[in-house]
Amino acid sequence: DQQVKQNSPSLSVQEGRISILNCDYTNSMFDYFLWYKKYPAEGPTFLISISSIKDKNEDGRFTVFLNKSAKHLSLHIVPSQPGDSAVYFCAASGETSYDKVIFGPGTSLSVIP
Amino acid sequence: GAGVSQSPSNKVTEKGKDVELRCDPISGHTALYWYRQSLGQGLEFLIYFQGNSAPDKSGLPSDRFSAERTGGSVSTLTIQRTQQEDSAVYLCASSLAGGGAFHEQFFGPGTRLTVL
Repeated sequence: DQQVKQNSPSLSVQEGRISILNCDYTNSMFDYFLWYKKYPAEGPTFLISISSIKDKNEDGRFTVFLNKSAKHLSLHIVPSQPGDSAVYFCAASGETSYDKVIFGPGTSLSVIP
Repeated sequence: GAGVSQSPSNKVTEKGKDVELRCDPISGHTALYWYRQSLGQGLEFLIYFQGNSAPDKSGLPSDRFSAERTGGSVSTLTIQRTQQEDSAVYLCASSLAGGGAFHEQFFGPGTRLTVL
């Protein structure tokens, strides 16, 4: 039973346009959400996070939006650049320091020059 | 380098053999995690260490899988009597403290295991 879902396995976007990556979760106890980015043959790297007390967090070109009632979050990348081409993992965790992080299956983003 | 390192980077083994995968976390990081990524799948949690103890082993798929951590640093993941379905990339991550999302996890490059 997948607690964190990323229903789009892949996404292609033109350079300069907005990339929107979506994530849905089922566990209402999740309190903290993260996005990781992974290039081929490398480990994932942390990108941005959001706590459930917020509905938006922005860091440069990256913004994460959280809709707790819908159990949905999204990552917006504006403007998209070819170097953003990677696999993006959505992840979620509970509020205690002993809660493990649950990762989604990932969305492969291709930004076309 | 100060990042998480894993060895070997690639391992090809025959079905039924035992394998050991090694992870060197970032110095000072008390929390260490093992994940597995099978082809086309997400990151599957295997086990989490806080210091040398493992408060959460819930992700280990069978009793053929075990892990230990010594000196609060290096960890080894051992797979006994490997099966073809064990083929995957095994990723290790470390964080400053805690097991949840409060502390960013830093990942190693992974070990690609192929069981023939």
